[in-house]
Amino acid sequence: SAVISQKPSRDICQRGTSLTIQCQVDSQVTMMFWYRQQPGQSLTLIATANQGSEATYESGFVIDKFPISRPNLTFSTLTVSNMSPEDSSIYLCSVMDETGYEQYFGPGTRLTVT
Amino acid sequence: QQQVKQSPQSLIVQKGGISIINCAYENTAFDYFPWYQQFPGKGPALLIAIRPDVSEKKEGRFTISFNKSAKQFSLHIMDSQPGDSATYFCAASLNNAGNMLTFGGGTRLMVKP
Repeated sequence: SAVISQKPSRDICQRGTSLTIQCQVDSQVTMMFWYRQQPGQSLTLIATANQGSEATYESGFVIDKFPISRPNLTFSTLTVSNMSPEDSSIYLCSVMDETGYEQYFGPGTRLTVT
Repeated sequence: QQQVKQSPQSLIVQKGGISIINCAYENTAFDYFPWYQQFPGKGPALLIAIRPDVSEKKEGRFTISFNKSAKQFSLHIMDSQPGDSATYFCAASLNNAGNMLTFGGGTRLMVKP
């Protein structure tokens, strides 16, 4: 399985600011995903990020709030813009392996907005 | 809307016992059903997965049972250990939907020594 790292692992940010989260994979992958996990809750897909195309956002998530970049097959960033306390969550990236089914997750970025 | 319903929300099992977590889905087109294990402060880790063409899959102490007609699948953890204490998520995906995972609500398992 792919080894996935995320930076930062955690951050405390002030309301109104933005944070960019990085996701690095140790192998080339076509499909990458960004999820949000609110405290004590399940995972919710924010968007799918494929290299060479615009990210596809799920209902309730918009590009202006969560811009995503996918410059190559091993890297992606998610920006949480104009943050509010409601954005306090764990943000996770995941990748699809070559089988086209198995997804592997990074360690997550724990964001607290004050 | 695609949904996966998971139960129970929390589970306490004695060491050596069997932990059973259940999931039910609505969309009969789902074709892949993984289970993830998540420890506090960590990302979810793929534990075991099944396709709808088989009724059971076993890997070590972990077994998935799949009932296609009932649209249900379950995770059984045999000889549960304190180290199994974690949150477990079932999920389902559609190949023709870009393999987007739809997650259940999660089950917090505590195995008492």
